[in-house]
Amino acid sequence: EVQLVESGGGLVQPGGSLRLSCAASGFSFSSYWMSWVRQAPGKGLEWVANINQDGSEKNFVDSVRGRFTISRDNAKNSLYLQMNSLRADDTSVYYCARDVSNTSPSDSWGQGTLVTVSS
Amino acid sequence: DIQMTQSPSSVSASVGDRVTITCRASHGISSWLAWYQQKPGKAPKLLIYLASSLQSGVPPRFSGSGSGTDFTLTISSLQPEDFATYYCQQTKSFPLTFGGGTKVEIK
Repeated sequence: EVQLVESGGGLVQPGGSLRLSCAASGFSFSSYWMSWVRQAPGKGLEWVANINQDGSEKNFVDSVRGRFTISRDNAKNSLYLQMNSLRADDTSVYYCARDVSNTSPSDSWGQGTLVTVSS
Repeated sequence: DIQMTQSPSSVSASVGDRVTITCRASHGISSWLAWYQQKPGKAPKLLIYLASSLQSGVPPRFSGSGSGTDFTLTISSLQPEDFATYYCQQTKSFPLTFGGGTKVEIK
């Protein structure tokens, strides 16, 4: 069974940093693209970033480019999102998701981790 | 960026009703469109990919159609477990973008 478990969310002050992790199991992690998708409270879904199988290709939404970094450790079956210079509008539930390719939708999702940016 | 516009934003329907949700892309995306279902407090669930392909395990009452800029998701006979919010997403080009969502509520 595919499992994606996010961790690392919490309360952070504006301008601060946070690193999210996603532990994957039940599938060959190194064979898949992986994505982060977020959802602000009461709002819709926003794709944030994705990364290819070996980490050599990364894509970001403009609102986070230069502030967020996506990475992965295939030996640890783990995906990461390093978030710097956090702003109030980054407050969201962040989901880790599995993609078959860079043009495919996300077919498996984690339960999400809440990031709250507030003073 | 490709903008995705869903309509309606909400719909009230009864069990057994046929429900249709539309999604329009600001630029042609061929068939690079997916549909998701999300229930409160839960992660999204993939229903349809490539505009009309049913994801494994999804009941056949769900169907998708369209290509280019105009797409539809149809629930042929609404079941109690189908009351949720539905999102379309284009996967043609980055940044990948979602529609604003359609909430299907109980009438």
